[in-house]
Amino acid sequence: DVKVTQSSRYLVKRTGEKVFLECVQDMDHENMFWYRQDPGLGLRLIYFSYDVKMKEKGDIPEGYSVSREKKERFSLILESASTNQTSMYLCASSLLLGGSNQPQHFGDGTRLSIL
Amino acid sequence: AQSVAQPEDQVNVAEGNPLTVKCTYSVSGNPYLFWYVQYPNRGLQFLLKYITGDNLVKGSYGFEAEFNKSQTSFHLKKPSALVSDSALYFCAVFTGGYQKVTFGTGTKLQVIP
Repeated sequence: DVKVTQSSRYLVKRTGEKVFLECVQDMDHENMFWYRQDPGLGLRLIYFSYDVKMKEKGDIPEGYSVSREKKERFSLILESASTNQTSMYLCASSLLLGGSNQPQHFGDGTRLSIL
Repeated sequence: AQSVAQPEDQVNVAEGNPLTVKCTYSVSGNPYLFWYVQYPNRGLQFLLKYITGDNLVKGSYGFEAEFNKSQTSFHLKKPSALVSDSALYFCAVFTGGYQKVTFGTGTKLQVIP
């Protein structure tokens, strides 16, 4: 079974702090994603990566950056946390094989509160 | 641009009754369509997908979905609902590129004992 592990289930930080969210997958997937989930808005893509050191902006990249130094690890960085970044953050991974129609595998999420 | 709509925020159904969770999509090419389920305090789990071929797709836990090109719909169905099916369900669409998938806003399914 694919396992996507997010380093923290719950995190509380203060406004202005630099925040790191870590995600590791164990199935050698090429693609990795960061989403935020808010009630009534569903999942919104922040950034994704299809290879080491490669990244693409999603729909809401402002205020975030990412790092992918190794294939199995994808980090989301909040450069200067703000209260409107309080949310559930979900990491996912998928295979690129087969023409890009592979399902995504999700971690259990990090519930981040910015005070 | 691609989009997906889930018109119902919540669906209530009695245990043992058939259930339907609705999804419509808008794409400029051929769609790849997915259903995911999310249980409380968990990430999303893949249920089923439509790529091409048979319009009726069978997935995990007894769920199935029907692809209807003329109505641009991909409704999720199950013949007999269980209380354990209560969860949040997401429809998603994808048309190509580097795996950028668009998710719907989710439908909360409540199965009443």
